[in-house]
Amino acid sequence: SQTIHQWPATLVQPVGSPLSLECTVEGTSNPNLYWYRQAAGRGLQLLFYSVGIGQISSEVPQNLSASRPQDRQFILSSKKLLLSDSGFYLCAWSPGPGETQYFGPGTRLLVL
Amino acid sequence: SQELEQSPQSLIVQEGKNLTINCTSSKTLYGLYWYKQKYGEGLIFLMMLQKGGEEKSHEKITAKLDEKKQQSSLHITASQPSHAGIYLCGALTSDSGTYKYIFGTGTRLKVLA
Repeated sequence: SQTIHQWPATLVQPVGSPLSLECTVEGTSNPNLYWYRQAAGRGLQLLFYSVGIGQISSEVPQNLSASRPQDRQFILSSKKLLLSDSGFYLCAWSPGPGETQYFGPGTRLLVL
Repeated sequence: SQELEQSPQSLIVQEGKNLTINCTSSKTLYGLYWYKQKYGEGLIFLMMLQKGGEEKSHEKITAKLDEKKQQSSLHITASQPSHAGIYLCGALTSDSGTYKYIFGTGTRLKVLA
């Protein structure tokens, strides 16, 4: 069966520091991968999605970037964190475009 | 305004009571997904509906997609404390021929023992 992992679970970082959040999927190949940010009362905001290695689409302009160095690995990064980057980050995968998305456990990021 | 509206935003029920959560879209839905989330955790997939009029059940949770495929309801029968959490609906819509996933803001459910 397929599983999705996110690391770390919680992160506290100072403003201006770099960020790297990791998402890995097991038990499937060539998944579509997604990064979301969840803000209280505002639902899920799609940040990036990827249909294959090295293929990244950005949904909103922001201080973050994403990379997919391996088929089942998706990384969310920032060179310099802002206070507004605080939030709950969720990674998801789907077998293909337009199919059910399955979510990871999330990473809570607090920027101070 | 939200493309996917959920109601109510929050709900407190006594254990054993039935409840319904609604999810309404301003666009035609090509797929409707229900998820459950506990605070600070990821989304657990409950079920997916695609066809107008479709109804699916998982234990004591039933979801329906209306005929016009723009609204779904999630019904919990004889609620239990284990049903507490945040229920989110997600939808697959089309935007200029491209698939797009959208999500509601969630319904927070509390079940009193």
